[in-house]
Amino acid sequence: GQQVMQIPQYQHVQEGEDFTTYCNSSTTLSNIQWYKQRPGGHPVFLIQLVKSGEVKKQKRLTFQFGEAKKNSSLHITATQTTDVGTYFCAGGNDYKLSFGAGTTVTVRA
Amino acid sequence: DTAVSQTPKYLVTQMGNDKSIKCEQNLGHDTMYWYKQDSKKFLKIMFSYNNKELIINETVPNRFSPKSPDKAHLNLHINSLELGDSAVYFCASSQGRGSRLGQYFGPGTRLTVT
Repeated sequence: GQQVMQIPQYQHVQEGEDFTTYCNSSTTLSNIQWYKQRPGGHPVFLIQLVKSGEVKKQKRLTFQFGEAKKNSSLHITATQTTDVGTYFCAGGNDYKLSFGAGTTVTVRA
Repeated sequence: DTAVSQTPKYLVTQMGNDKSIKCEQNLGHDTMYWYKQDSKKFLKIMFSYNNKELIINETVPNRFSPKSPDKAHLNLHINSLELGDSAVYFCASSQGRGSRLGQYFGPGTRLTVT
């Protein structure tokens, strides 16, 4: 079945620095979604990418979908303490989303 | 105002017991889901329902039986609970498949089996 791999599993970031989390699929994805889960909270939808090579920005967050639609990345610039949490990518076909293992981000002030 | 609600928030029970978790969404969505999140935060789809019809059943043991009385509700009943069932269970909803607005998750039910 479809598998979505995500790296790194943990990211410890100095406040103000940038970081990137990567997502790779064994199969071509029709779309990729990104979610953020704060500690003790529930996943919250951030964005969906559909087109090959698509790039979308949300303030300090930049999302990219690979040309082959098998990989995606999330880049966060100037990390803030509010960025703490686990970021999940999820590849979808029809009614099923396969989630990556998530990247758990901690921030050093 | 809550979009997707679940009850209870916490559930502590002994092995062998039967328990239910309820989920309701007031977003008018036609698709609802159950996910299991283990201690390593891995999120795995269990069931998908569209317009009260079961669409996805991800090889979940038949001790787990979802029921959707209407489009706004999806409940999960678990028989003969086992230690390995301990996890956080999330209900979610979306409008159709491949929705650009993603899935809306409930606050989760933390199930502890002792």
